Amino acid sequence: AQSVTQLDSQVPVFEEAPVELRCNYSSSVSVYLFWYVQYPNQGLQLLLKYLSGSTLVKGINGFEAEFNKSQTSFHLRKPSVHISDTAEYFCAVSEGSAGGTSYGKLTFGQGTILTVHP
Amino acid sequence: EAGVAQSPRYKIIEKRQSVAFWCNPISGHATLYWYQQILGQGPKLLIQFQNNGVVDDSQLPKDRFSAERLKGVDSTLKIQPAKLEDSAVYLCASSRYSGANVLTFGAGSRLTVL
Repeated sequence: AQSVTQLDSQVPVFEEAPVELRCNYSSSVSVYLFWYVQYPNQGLQLLLKYLSGSTLVKGINGFEAEFNKSQTSFHLRKPSVHISDTAEYFCAVSEGSAGGTSYGKLTFGQGTILTVHP
Repeated sequence: EAGVAQSPRYKIIEKRQSVAFWCNPISGHATLYWYQQILGQGPKLLIQFQNNGVVDDSQLPKDRFSAERLKGVDSTLKIQPAKLEDSAVYLCASSRYSGANVLTFGAGSRLTVL
């Protein structure tokens, strides 16, 4: 079974400042990793995903994340945030090999609310 | 392509009443998921369908929750009788196949149990 811990429940930041949202995971098997964003009263939208290959992945809206296997982390970063980035962000993990019982199912962290102030 | 459709968007009921939520996935998506998102928590998987068959319902409280996907397209999630702790947003998601690793989520159905 997998688990995900998002280390910050809320992150306030000023506009145009850099931001990092932290995510650690636990799994006994290989994993795929995801970041989703949820705007108020909307569903979850995929920001980016790591399946294999380069450990630095780029997503939409200027976000990127780095997979660190030794530290079991997948932190989300953006060099300069905008007011419109205010939302809740979820890190998620799924089993990375076909045939497993958890293959294709996402386990989510508890979320980080990013608030961008003018 | 059209997104995942869910209805109703909001529902308020008294405890012990029943409620049903409907989901229509993206056309051609064989796999459908129902997640429960309690305020302040991440979404938790309730049930996964592959076409009209259940793949995983291990976290579905079967004494009060039921779900079906009779024709392998749209799905209904029912709660009967509802408890206060069932207050949550119920999210439906779909993917082309199990293990596709890209889930598309609907906007959710927010349930308040009084």
